Formats: sequence, structure tokens, C-alpha cells
Amino acid sequence: SSELTQPPSVSVSPGQTATITCSGDVLAKQYAHWYQQKPGHAPTLVIYKDTERSSGIPDRFSGSTSGTTVTLTISGLQAEDEADYYCQSADRSANYVVFGGGTKLTV
Amino acid sequence: EEQLVQSGAQVKKPGDSLKISCKALGYTFPNYWIAWVRQVPGRGLDYLGLIYGGDSETKYGPSFEGRVTMSVDKSIATAYLQWSSLQASDSAIYYCAKPGSDRYYYMDVWGEGTTVTVSS
Repeated sequence: SSELTQPPSVSVSPGQTATITCSGDVLAKQYAHWYQQKPGHAPTLVIYKDTERSSGIPDRFSGSTSGTTVTLTISGLQAEDEADYYCQSADRSANYVVFGGGTKLTV
Repeated sequence: EEQLVQSGAQVKKPGDSLKISCKALGYTFPNYWIAWVRQVPGRGLDYLGLIYGGDSETKYGPSFEGRVTMSVDKSIATAYLQWSSLQASDSAIYYCAKPGSDRYYYMDVWGEGTTVTVSS
């Protein structure tokens, strides 16, 4: 299956650590990327190639992978981290590109 | 600074045609792909397809081939998304985005989005 599955919502207290998972068979072979989207704004790239932080993203954001699941971890949660988060993957020929359903993070 | 600047919001009637644009600034347009992504209000991100700025090669997402048409004019560094006959279900925000790599297709630059409303 080329689908990516995320939990619909995650709620964590300020200062704590949030973990958002993304699961799919394709992740065993392809990288995952993470985007943050705040209301009324376009998505922005947070993590690419499973673990690489995008430019300007604080080191509170990190990515990890294990088998067919990738995880976005946000430590020291701040109110500004409240947003929707999407994972995405693609094969190297871009014959398929897929987004997860998104996770609403409430701080 | 790399930017994608999209055309403004559109209100159309069912059956109308429409073409929206995405102008690239700050990078060499023919060397990169452009992706189109749809977001129905309150919903997630849907991948429409990719088009290469250099030779207009297209890759459509499985749910959108035949429903939309992507094109580019590399002389003005602009990508387009068009519909020949809009339906109410096409109402959404449409984003263009630039993959940062032609091997891993993560989108490192996004346009601000174009809101399309289709209503009788």
C-alpha cells in the first residue's frame, strides 16, 4: 500500500514532548518528510529525508525512523508549535507522491 | 530568496474553465520540478502532480489525471494548473511547491495558495 497513516490528533502540555507517528509500507524503502501548517498559511518543511532539519527549524524538532514508521518529535513544546503536521513520501522517480492524513497538535 | 507567487482567488460557476498560475522567483526555473497540491478547507493535503520546468514532463497523481492539466512557460518562469469544466468539488486551496531534490521530492518552497470557489 502507498498510504501513510497518522493519528488525527495529539494533545500535549507546554514544555513537554510531543511525538507524531507516520506509518506506511513505502517507508521501509523511501524517505519521509514532515511539514507544519498553521491556520491560514501554506505548509512549511520541517524535516526532510527522515531526520534532516530544514533551514531555520529549531533543534527542538527531530525525526527518527524504524521500519515502516517514522516519528516527528517536538521537545520543549511551545504554544507556537500548535499546528497541523503532515508526513509525505515519494519514490525516486516521483511516480507516486503521497501525503499522510495529517495530525492536529494541540499544545 | 526562492519564492513562488501564485495568482489570486477565483470564484467560478460549475462548467466554467479556469487557469491559475505560479511564478517562480530566485532560482533557475528550468532546472526544477513544480508540484501542485490541493487542500479542501478543513481537510488534508492531496497531491495533484508534478511538472518539470525545463521540458514540461508531467507526472499526475492517480486521482487527478484527466481532471486537471499542468503546463509551464519557462520563458517567464511560470507554472499553470487548469480545468476545462469546473465542478463544485474542485473548490479548494491550490498550492504550488518546489521540490528541493529531484530524487527525494520534499517540498522546500511553497506558494501562498490560490483559493478556488466553484458555486452556482
